[in-house]
Amino acid sequence: QTVVTQEPSMTVSPGGTVTLTCASSTGAVTSGSYPNWFQQKPGQAPRPLINRTSNKYSWTPARFSGSLLGGKAALTLSGVQPEDEADYYCLLYYGGGWVFGGGTKLTVL
Amino acid sequence: QVQLQQWGAGLLNPSETLSLTCGVYGGSFNNYYWTWIRQSPGKGLEWIGEINPSGGTNYNPSLKSRVTLSVDTSKNQFSLKLTSVTAADTAVYYCARGGEWKFDYWGLGPLVTVSS
Repeated sequence: QTVVTQEPSMTVSPGGTVTLTCASSTGAVTSGSYPNWFQQKPGQAPRPLINRTSNKYSWTPARFSGSLLGGKAALTLSGVQPEDEADYYCLLYYGGGWVFGGGTKLTVL
Repeated sequence: QVQLQQWGAGLLNPSETLSLTCGVYGGSFNNYYWTWIRQSPGKGLEWIGEINPSGGTNYNPSLKSRVTLSVDTSKNQFSLKLTSVTAADTAVYYCARGGEWKFDYWGLGPLVTVSS
């Protein structure tokens, strides 16, 4: 059973920068894992932020960026805003199926 | 603008079959993988499976024995059936549009509760 691991929680100050990561139990995350990132606020459906490692949607704020970092997928928020407080989920592809990470609860404090 | 609207029973008894349908409004129905994802209360997201307009499917191995996805291209709808439900299947069930390695549009997700 493939496991995708994210930091359970992170805290950042307003205006700061934070990087969330997404690791795979099968080894290094590559572009062939087609990493996706989603933001979810309480009571809402997940909102797509990043696809295929680093591609943004038209609605993705410029302060969000995706990359590969040290064998993991990464989501970086630069110039964090209070409204960025949310749960963030990554999603990785494994040959015919997808697996979500457990999510990171980001607190802006 | 693409919209996904879901409907189906919201309360089930253990051992019954969960049945949900997702209607796609706006945009093309072809060339995408139509996907189901669920989220247990207070928990993370779980990919259930996907189906293309030709009926080709991929399933989460942990649910494969109980899940059937189907598609009705004449109505731009796709459906999920999950058999022999237990309390562990209580979750918000989302439908989403997949394809080109992304999931760009999601339904709002009804809560389905399994309880006797």
